[in-house]
Amino acid sequence: GQNIDQPTEMTATEGAIVQINCTYQTSGFNGLFWYQQHAGEAPTFLSYNVLDGLEEKGRFSSFLSRSKGYSYLLLKELQMKDSASYLCAVKTGFQKLVFGTGTRLLVSP
Amino acid sequence: DTEVTQTPKHLVMGMTNKKSLKCEQHMGHRAMYWYKQKAKKPPELMFVYSYEKLSINESVPSRFSPECPNSSLLNLHLHALQPEDSALYLCASSQDNKGMNTEAFFGQGTRLTVV
Repeated sequence: GQNIDQPTEMTATEGAIVQINCTYQTSGFNGLFWYQQHAGEAPTFLSYNVLDGLEEKGRFSSFLSRSKGYSYLLLKELQMKDSASYLCAVKTGFQKLVFGTGTRLLVSP
Repeated sequence: DTEVTQTPKHLVMGMTNKKSLKCEQHMGHRAMYWYKQKAKKPPELMFVYSYEKLSINESVPSRFSPECPNSSLLNLHLHALQPEDSALYLCASSQDNKGMNTEAFFGQGTRLTVV
């Protein structure tokens, strides 16, 4: 089976930094993706990791440790518009992208 | 053009109806996907098409029937659905199913209500 776990909800303040964790146990691994999804909208791609380490992309960074089955998404200088669900997804084969449980982030003023 | 277009945006259908969801992309992607998403849950994979051939069916009931007429189009035919099938149906596409860094682009989804 595939287990991809994330905290259900997180809250943070505008301007702060938040770290959203993702742990996974999957039958295969071909990379880990982070998506953002606003309510009622399509998921949009944020970042991708396939090798261990940190990938930085503006206010967003993502880290991967394959030996620990662990990733996190770091959001800096939080803005109100960052309130959304954040989805960790593992590519378990060449074609199969499996989503984690998702984290709802609420940013308050 | 990095768009995946889905129609209709909303659909209400009875349990005896037959309807189809449509998805279109013009990015030259050769892998296309159907996902089902219930409220406050992550998307769940239903089907994957690779080079217009069905490559993954995640044990989806036969009342859902996918079709890929060509490399740009993906349909999902619906027949005799149940109220629990009400959900957001998302279509996605990606560049090369064998590639590593090939993020999936998602459409806005079709909000389906079965009455």
